[in-house]
Amino acid sequence: EVQLVESGGGLIQPGGSLRLSCEASGFAFSSYAMSWVRQAPGKGLEWVSCISGNGLGTNYADAVKGRFTISRDNSMNTLSLQMDSLRADDTAVYYCARGRYGDYGDWGQGTLVTVSS
Amino acid sequence: QSVLSQPPSASGTPGQRVTISCSGSYPNIGSNFVYWFQQFPGTAPKVLIYRDNQRPSGVPDRFSGSKSGSSASLTISGLRSEDEADYYCAAWDDRLSGRGVFGGGTKLTVL
Repeated sequence: EVQLVESGGGLIQPGGSLRLSCEASGFAFSSYAMSWVRQAPGKGLEWVSCISGNGLGTNYADAVKGRFTISRDNSMNTLSLQMDSLRADDTAVYYCARGRYGDYGDWGQGTLVTVSS
Repeated sequence: QSVLSQPPSASGTPGQRVTISCSGSYPNIGSNFVYWFQQFPGTAPKVLIYRDNQRPSGVPDRFSGSKSGSSASLTISGLRSEDEADYYCAAWDDRLSGRGVFGGGTKLTVL
């Protein structure tokens, strides 16, 4: 059974940094691209970033480019999202998802990031 | 403003057929596969349709997807009360270096 478990969310002040993690199990992690998708309170889904299976290819939404960095450790089956220079409009539930290009076959339960002073 | 356009709401009575549209353009729906997700309040999205019209195992055949040009549709036949949820379309957009795109979501109400 595929399992994706996010962690690292919390309350952070504007301008601060946070690192999200997603621990994967139940599948050959290195064989799959992975993505981050977020959802602001009461709003729709928004794609954030994706990374290839070997970690060499990455893409970012314009809203986070230059502030967020996606990475993965295939030896630990872990996906990460380093978020710097956080803003109030980054407040959202952040989901990790298996796959990319819209093909998000499995999702974690999400972790809430709240950016507020 | 979402890159993919969906109606904000849709409704139907039990047993009816409901169709939710998703309108895009050549760099996204016109060039790439479309995916549909169902989301209940407080839970993660779940894939309903992948690669335009394929159903994962476990998804009832009441759910079907189609695509024509730069538009796609999700059809729910034999509507049931438990289908009341938010529905999102998604695709990849080839513009610039590439980006994921979602529709704004459609809230389906079963009357």
